Amino acid sequence: QVQLVESGGGLVKPGGSLRLSCAASGFTFSDVYMSWIRQAPGKGLEWVSKISSRGSTMYYGDSVKGRFTISRDNAKNSLYLQMDSLRAEDTAVYYCARDRNYDFWRYGMDVWGQGTTVTVSS
Amino acid sequence: DIQMTQSPSSVSASVGDRVTITCRASQGISSWLAWYQQKPGKAPKLLIYAASSLETGVPSRFSGSGSGTDFTLTISSLQPEDFATYYCQQANSFPITFGQGTRLEIK
Repeated sequence: QVQLVESGGGLVKPGGSLRLSCAASGFTFSDVYMSWIRQAPGKGLEWVSKISSRGSTMYYGDSVKGRFTISRDNAKNSLYLQMDSLRAEDTAVYYCARDRNYDFWRYGMDVWGQGTTVTVSS
Repeated sequence: DIQMTQSPSSVSASVGDRVTITCRASQGISSWLAWYQQKPGKAPKLLIYAASSLETGVPSRFSGSGSGTDFTLTISSLQPEDFATYYCQQANSFPITFGQGTRLEIK
């Protein structure tokens, strides 16, 4: 079945780094844009980053630009988020999500993983 | 950046009620709006895309409307499983932004 499974979350000190992964299955991964979205404890959803189907174009939210890097490996059906210079305010559940339509990002995100928790604290 | 403002922030309603949630964009976004439902401890679920298109498998009691800056999500007859938090999201331009959420509670 169609599935996204995130991994790589954990506890990291301020200023540290972490790499999240998202394993996709059940669909043609290389056909779709993919995103990372996060949710701080008790807060709403915040879009973090999106990458085009071929990995040639990346987009970032203002709060993570210059610190986070999104990438993908279509041969491995995997999405990544390299997070550097982490801050306390990056503490959140991080979800990966699939865009609904083939090679088009404006129709929302129809498949989400279960999330992985990142805690930034000394 | 485009700001998305939802109202109300929370609403109490009963099973069988009709509920409308509003989302306003700080600038025109055509029809590039999606609605999501999120239950505690779970990932969001896509309900509506392109402002008014019902996602596959979503009950027909959910409907969306609007274009430009003003949008609504309507639940025609609330069911027990509909009590959750709802978010709008603009897909007109980057950075993508979400509304702050509307918590739908049982009265």
